[in-house]
Amino acid sequence: AQSVAQPEDQVNVAEGNPLTVKCTYSVSGNPYLFWYVQYPNRGLQFLLKYITGDNLVKGSYGFEAEFNKSQTSFHLKKPSALVSDSALYFCAVRAAGNNRKLIWGLGTSLAVNP
Amino acid sequence: DTAVSQTPKYLVTQMGNDKSIKCEQNLGHDTMYWYKQDSKKFLKIMFSYNNKELIINETVPNRFSPKSPDKAHLNLHINSLELGDSAVYFCASSQDRGTYEQYFGPGTRLTVT
Repeated sequence: AQSVAQPEDQVNVAEGNPLTVKCTYSVSGNPYLFWYVQYPNRGLQFLLKYITGDNLVKGSYGFEAEFNKSQTSFHLKKPSALVSDSALYFCAVRAAGNNRKLIWGLGTSLAVNP
Repeated sequence: DTAVSQTPKYLVTQMGNDKSIKCEQNLGHDTMYWYKQDSKKFLKIMFSYNNKELIINETVPNRFSPKSPDKAHLNLHINSLELGDSAVYFCASSQDRGTYEQYFGPGTRLTVT
């Protein structure tokens, strides 16, 4: 079965510290992986994607994500967290056999404390 | 220059009513989607249209009916509204080639009383 897991409902980090939001996936074939961010009362915004190539992908707002095929993971990272990074983060993988359908994780709420 | 826009932003209505939400995208994308986000923030795909053709139709009550007059517009009509329909509904669009990342509208918060 195709799935995305975000094992942490909430992540708390102090401003200036590095942050990691975890994501693991299960899909057949080569995965197309995405991270989105949702600020309060807003729509989802695309952050970054992994398709192929370098396992470290850089995206918007200083975020990056590391693809690990053996661990089937795609963790979101940022070297130095900002209070303004506090939001809900979603990981998604493109469904095998349906290019247009994304399988979504349940989301991880990130709180960056000043 | 909003890429994906939805109207209305807020919708408060009574049980049993019929309502519509409209979505428009100016990105030139071929595929559009409707998602429902519940109070726990879980995101669920409902429908998708590609060039006015329905391509994703998840398990959704048939009170929900999407309509796509052209590839830039996707509307959602809901009949006989129920309390459980209260949620935020998001429209999204994606290009029909490449990596298919989706771009989302600001959402419509539907409250059924």
